[in-house]
Amino acid sequence: DGGITQSPKYLFRKEGQNVTLSCEQNLNHDAMYWYRQDPGQGLRLIYYSQIVNDFQKGDIAEGYSVSREKKESFPLTVTSAQKNPTAFYLCASSIRSGVDEQFFGPGTRLTVL
Amino acid sequence: AQSVAQPEDQVNVAEGNPLTVKCTYSVSGNPYLFWYVQYPNRGLQFLLKYITGDNLVKGSYGFEAEFNKSQTSFHLKKPSALVSDSALYFCAVRDIPDSSYKLIFGSGTRLLVRP
Repeated sequence: DGGITQSPKYLFRKEGQNVTLSCEQNLNHDAMYWYRQDPGQGLRLIYYSQIVNDFQKGDIAEGYSVSREKKESFPLTVTSAQKNPTAFYLCASSIRSGVDEQFFGPGTRLTVL
Repeated sequence: AQSVAQPEDQVNVAEGNPLTVKCTYSVSGNPYLFWYVQYPNRGLQFLLKYITGDNLVKGSYGFEAEFNKSQTSFHLKKPSALVSDSALYFCAVRDIPDSSYKLIFGSGTRLLVRP
């Protein structure tokens, strides 16, 4: 069954803790993306990667970090420097071409206690 | 700079009636345009896209969208709405000169179809 998986579905974090969100795809896509979704604001791009061992900051990268050591995996770490991390996080992937749509995972809802 | 506007936060329509969800865009070059749907607590699902060619694009679940270059619009339409169409809809654009494959998303429009 091809697709994108994200884990965990729900995540709770205490203030001051770093947490890592998992994103795995078996679609053989080169490009992967992390978005943050807040109510009424649509999706905002955190980081993206067009190829293994390379990634670029998106529009709201502060307080986040990523790695892309394998084609299939693009984990996102929410650090304690992120001032307002409570949100719904979506991972996506696409073929590395301009015409192709992005495929999205089911999301991780992060709540800071 | 690229941008996408969805001017309506919510659209209400009765089941069986036609629906339209509006989207306008601003890009420096020619756009690639996309529509996605999101059900509660789920990821986004791709509905349709415009790349080039026929201005009327047909997609999943009976949805279609019309690209209008002069009005810089890409409105989503369906001839007969279903209650199950109730969801959050996002329009997105990619500026062709941009080689990063990034999408710019609108803020979303909530569609409510009443029985």
